[in-house]
Amino acid sequence: EADIYQTPRYLVIGTGKKITLECSQTMGHDKMYWYQQDPGMELHLIHYSYGVNSTEKGDLSSESTVSRIRTEHFPLTLESARPSHTSQYLCASSESPGGSGNQPQHFGDGTRLSIL
Amino acid sequence: QQQVKQSPQSLIVQKGGISIINCAYENTAFDYFPWYQQFPGKGPALLIAIRPDVSEKKEGRFTISFNKSAKQFSLHIMDSQPGDSATYFCAASSENSGGYQKVTFGTGTKLQVIP
Repeated sequence: EADIYQTPRYLVIGTGKKITLECSQTMGHDKMYWYQQDPGMELHLIHYSYGVNSTEKGDLSSESTVSRIRTEHFPLTLESARPSHTSQYLCASSESPGGSGNQPQHFGDGTRLSIL
Repeated sequence: QQQVKQSPQSLIVQKGGISIINCAYENTAFDYFPWYQQFPGKGPALLIAIRPDVSEKKEGRFTISFNKSAKQFSLHIMDSQPGDSATYFCAASSENSGGYQKVTFGTGTKLQVIP
């Protein structure tokens, strides 16, 4: 079973601050993802990575940026937070299929971000 | 454009009853159909998944029915329990030769099982 950790779980911060949301996984998965989700609503992909030094933007436009310097670590950064960034951010990872087809995504418990 | 349509948006079922959630997709390139269960304050967790070469998969009280020709799949929860109360998301994914995996989630169904 994949272990994937997100910190902080909750963050309330003022407008204009720089924020970094942390995500780490211990399973050696190559693929990692960031989703934005209003609580209980659908998930929107904002960034993904298929390995070290690989990052791509997802379907939903986001002012955030990501980096992938190590396999296990995939942080998301907002340079200047705004109230419109208030949401829940979910990190996920999945194995490379290795010929067996698509694999499920394993999710962290999310960071609930509130920008005042 | 919503490529995976999920219904109903919410569902109330009596304890012991059957919960049924439906999803329909349009992209015939999808070849993996997982269902995720999400409790409040938690991330989604894989519940059960199916590939299009089978029409049904059962794991305990949870069954996926898959109709490839109709491009529809559904989740059936037998003997529903209050502990099943959660939001359920269907998803569909495809992978191209370059290893790019595209996952599309449904809009979610909030299930409440009442005693």
